[in-house]
Amino acid sequence: GESVGLHLPTLSVQEGDNSIINCAYSNSASDYFIWYKQESGKGPQFIIDIRSNMDKRQGQRVTVLLNKTVKHLSLQIAATQPGDSAVYFCAERVANNDMRFGAGTRLTVKP
Amino acid sequence: NAGVTQTPKFQVLKTGQSMTLQCAQDMNHEYMSWYRQDPGMGLRLIHYSVGAGITDQGEVPNGYNVSRSTTEDFPLRLLSAAPSQTSVYFCASSYSGGPQGEQFFGPGTRLTVL
Repeated sequence: GESVGLHLPTLSVQEGDNSIINCAYSNSASDYFIWYKQESGKGPQFIIDIRSNMDKRQGQRVTVLLNKTVKHLSLQIAATQPGDSAVYFCAERVANNDMRFGAGTRLTVKP
Repeated sequence: NAGVTQTPKFQVLKTGQSMTLQCAQDMNHEYMSWYRQDPGMGLRLIHYSVGAGITDQGEVPNGYNVSRSTTEDFPLRLLSAAPSQTSVYFCASSYSGGPQGEQFFGPGTRLTVL
């Protein structure tokens, strides 16, 4: 079946820099997407979501961009902080009550 | 609010044993779900419930049972544990009535089946 994937398994950035985490999805019918953050030993935490009728949504220090033409989703984190170190993964809604999750990208922030 | 709580945190089983993973939430959320997380893979939905008395299968339901007798509790039962069920299990709940919007996840149960 179709699945959500990620371009890079790891990302290392300097504190204060901006981070960009990418996600490719293959189900063109997906109408809704979420980014999650998961710190070591904890459950996932909702960051931001976006519907397919939008191409950009901003939150506090985070921006999600959606490019439906190439089925690509990205999460931008501004002024990355050590507390942002975690695994980030995207999820797509392929059908009602059916979210499919990517494997994740590990973000490491160097002081 | 305690949020979503899960017990136990860790469990080791032998093949063939049965057990119940507990999940409770105190946010009065109608939607609850169980996921498993395996290394190198994304979360996979096992079962979900849209309200007390209503459950449905997710992507990987085989070998697991659920029930939802109250809004607060959503236990996951392993009928006859197999090594393939070694995983980290997360319970989640949502006020939106589905997996869209903010799902609140518990801290997880790390299960090892020998």
